[in-house]
Amino acid sequence: GDSVTQMEGPVTLSEEAFLTINCTYTATGYPSLFWYVQYPGEGLQLLLKATKADDKGSNKGFEATYRKETTSFHLEKGSVQVSDSAVYFCALSSGGSEKLVFGKGTKLTVNP
Amino acid sequence: DAMVIQNPRYQVTQFGKPVTLSCSQTLNHNVMYWYQQKSSQAPKLLFHYYDKDFNNEADTPDNFQSRRPNTSFCFLDIRSPGLGDAAMYLCATSIIAEKLFFGSGTQLSVL
Repeated sequence: GDSVTQMEGPVTLSEEAFLTINCTYTATGYPSLFWYVQYPGEGLQLLLKATKADDKGSNKGFEATYRKETTSFHLEKGSVQVSDSAVYFCALSSGGSEKLVFGKGTKLTVNP
Repeated sequence: DAMVIQNPRYQVTQFGKPVTLSCSQTLNHNVMYWYQQKSSQAPKLLFHYYDKDFNNEADTPDNFQSRRPNTSFCFLDIRSPGLGDAAMYLCATSIIAEKLFFGSGTQLSVL
């Protein structure tokens, strides 16, 4: 079945450091790919998405590019802030399904 | 302003005592989901409704049931909670899977 694999956390960075969180997927067909973020005490929120190969999703300084050849959708940010501390989930939906399959999540802590 | 509201935020129940978790939405979305999230694990889809059509995941235990009396409300019933059912339960809504809107979750403890 469809699955998402994220890099193990937790990740701890200093403010203004560069962030990469790796995500790879297994799916039939051509899935849509997503990054969701969960701030402490809150529900998950959509951060960005890409619906076809080579698309780049971006939001709040975060970016991820849909790479079909490597089945990857790595999340990047050039300069993280303390307010970016959260858990980040990679996810996919495929075949026009209304269902999302999530990765395990990666906890990011940014220190001042 | 909350669009997907889950009550209660924390729920404590006893082993084997039925418990119901609630979710309501103001978005008028036709799809509603229940996910189970255990510590350091991916949110796991239990079931979802597409309008009134109920879709159970193959590996969801029979202990878990759901009701959706109208567009706005959806309930998760755990008939006989076990220790292994302690988790965060997330409700979400969508029009299509392109964007899900999540509630803040209900943290269930089983004593």
